[in-house]
Amino acid sequence: AQTVTQSQPEMSVQEAETVTLSCTYDTSESDYYLFWYKQPPSRQMILVIRQEAYKQQNATENRFSVNFQKAAKSFSLKISDSQLGDAAMYFCAYRRGGATNKLIFGTGTLLAVQP
Amino acid sequence: NAGVTQTPKFQVLKTGQSMTLQCAQDMNHEYMSWYRQDPGMGLRLIHYSVGAGITDQGEVPNGYNVSRSTTEDFPLRLLSAAPSQTSVYFCASSYSAFYGYTFGSGTRLTVV
Repeated sequence: AQTVTQSQPEMSVQEAETVTLSCTYDTSESDYYLFWYKQPPSRQMILVIRQEAYKQQNATENRFSVNFQKAAKSFSLKISDSQLGDAAMYFCAYRRGGATNKLIFGTGTLLAVQP
Repeated sequence: NAGVTQTPKFQVLKTGQSMTLQCAQDMNHEYMSWYRQDPGMGLRLIHYSVGAGITDQGEVPNGYNVSRSTTEDFPLRLLSAAPSQTSVYFCASSYSAFYGYTFGSGTRLTVV
């Protein structure tokens, strides 16, 4: 069975600094997708960034980028120029490719941003 | 477009009561899922559907039923509520694996 592990329950960063959130996963599949979701205090789940396993290039969305290490099964999220609005719970998630429906989540990392 | 709409947003039930959490999406997504979120445990999959008339169990299905009679609607039924079902419930839908999921705003359920 696929599993997703986030080993950092909480992290803190100073405003304008850079922070990296860690995620590892376990799968025997070759076709899959990885995601980072943000959950602010409003409770809404917001997709931050996605990565296709068959792409070697790391995904980037503005201040958010990932470091995808397929052999190591690692998928970390880097937030540059951190802003107060980045404070949230961040979830790493895995989804197998093809006609499948299961999105498997890690337990989350709570990010605090200090002014 | 409304996206994924969940109702109600909050609910308090007594042990043994039954209820249905409603979920509707207007994006013509085939894939829909129900998750529950508990502190320290992330989001866990309850039931999912890959299209109208097709449902399957997720990681924590006990005590819950689903049906998918239309593409748009995917209600979650609690058969006999228990305090262990106190949680935040999310419905989500997806067009394909590539696009990830769009989530509803969640339902906070308390069973006393």
